Amino acid sequence: GENVEQHPSTLSVQEGDSAVIKCTYSDSASNYFPWYKQELGKRPQLIIDIRSNVGEKKDQRIAVTLNKTAKHFSLHITETQPEDSAVYFCADMEGGGNKLTFGTGTQLKVEL
Amino acid sequence: DAGITQSPRYKITETGRQVTLMCHQTWSHSYMFWYRQDLGHGLRLIYYSAAADITDKGEVPDGYVVSRSKTENFPLTLESATRSQTSVYFCASSPSYEQYFGPGTRLTVT
Repeated sequence: GENVEQHPSTLSVQEGDSAVIKCTYSDSASNYFPWYKQELGKRPQLIIDIRSNVGEKKDQRIAVTLNKTAKHFSLHITETQPEDSAVYFCADMEGGGNKLTFGTGTQLKVEL
Repeated sequence: DAGITQSPRYKITETGRQVTLMCHQTWSHSYMFWYRQDLGHGLRLIYYSAAADITDKGEVPDGYVVSRSKTENFPLTLESATRSQTSVYFCASSPSYEQYFGPGTRLTVT
């Protein structure tokens, strides 16, 4: 889509706590919303995604929710572990195309 | 992940030189993409391709050229490198929605 805002830019949680990262998008035609995890010096890796006809999707400790009316979607990580520490990027895909627009990332730190 | 590779992994070049970054995928994905990643900007799309011989500009195409004569290859050329093109470059491929990234090329222009 045109613009994707991601918050917060940094997030620090205690091990075992939950973490929530939020993104808003501007293009009402956006129909696909992936989340990527990027560890230091590594490539972004797709961890979960959701399409516009679904409100929530879960995969073990991670879940994504989508509110099309408000044009925002969120990543939820429960029972956080040190290996969850990374930069997380949200993105959206404009309707009718295959291009992703990325948010600016959230640095998640899980402290022991 | 071995299905998409990039070369070189690291490159140092001088201002004004031409540089080509290579991307190769073995999945026969239709779509391929080039992104650059800079601190504070996240991932920005440079060029993308929907199929062999079909390419289009992304958000930041100036100073870059692409070609795609074969489905599996999508090289990115910096015609005359500038210091502002110092960045980490990621190639990605996709069958439709999901995009899978290569390991990246760290390019430094001196």
